[in-house]
Amino acid sequence: EAQVTQNPRYLITVTGKKLTVTCSQNMNHEYMSWYRQDPGLGLRQIYYSMNVEATDKGDVPEGYKVSRKEKRNFPLILESPSPNQTSLYFCASSQLRGPQETQYFGPGTRLLVL
Amino acid sequence: GDSVTQMEGPVTLSEEAFLTINCTYTATGYPSLFWYVQYPGEGLQLLLKATKADDKGSNKGFEATYRKETTSFHLEKGSVQVSDSAVYFCALRGTGGFKTIFGAGTRLFVKA
Repeated sequence: EAQVTQNPRYLITVTGKKLTVTCSQNMNHEYMSWYRQDPGLGLRQIYYSMNVEATDKGDVPEGYKVSRKEKRNFPLILESPSPNQTSLYFCASSQLRGPQETQYFGPGTRLLVL
Repeated sequence: GDSVTQMEGPVTLSEEAFLTINCTYTATGYPSLFWYVQYPGEGLQLLLKATKADDKGSNKGFEATYRKETTSFHLEKGSVQVSDSAVYFCALRGTGGFKTIFGAGTRLFVKA
């Protein structure tokens, strides 16, 4: 079954304690992205990756890091979380074939930073 | 910078009514345009996409046409069902990368 998995699904942490949210896809997709969703703001892209070792900033990259060492994995790292990073996070993967696009989103990770 | 503006919700319709959710954008060049749907408690699903002017994306009875002259990509469905109740997001992706900008979302309620 084609899927994007995220772990953990729920996380409560404290300010300054480093954390990593993992994202993995089993479809061999080239493109992967991280988004955060906040009420009234829709989704905002944090980082994206167009292939292994190719990452770039989205709209709101401050306070986040990513890496893409393998095609299937795209972890999101918060080196020093702050309360304004409390949000719902989604990972997504995409495959483009000309104008056609296949895209899958993970189930989301709800993060609370105290 | 690039931006997407959607009509504010919630939109409440009766079953079998016609649906329009407005979306306009600001971008340089020729972005790709998207509609996504998010059902309660779930992640997003790509609903439809258009990559150039006058393209029509369609899926599951939903349609949207890329209008360059009015910088719009309005979502339409001829007859909505209760199961269409969800939040709908319009988005654009600029040329030359994978940076994606979303609108704030429009919540749709369909009553039986």
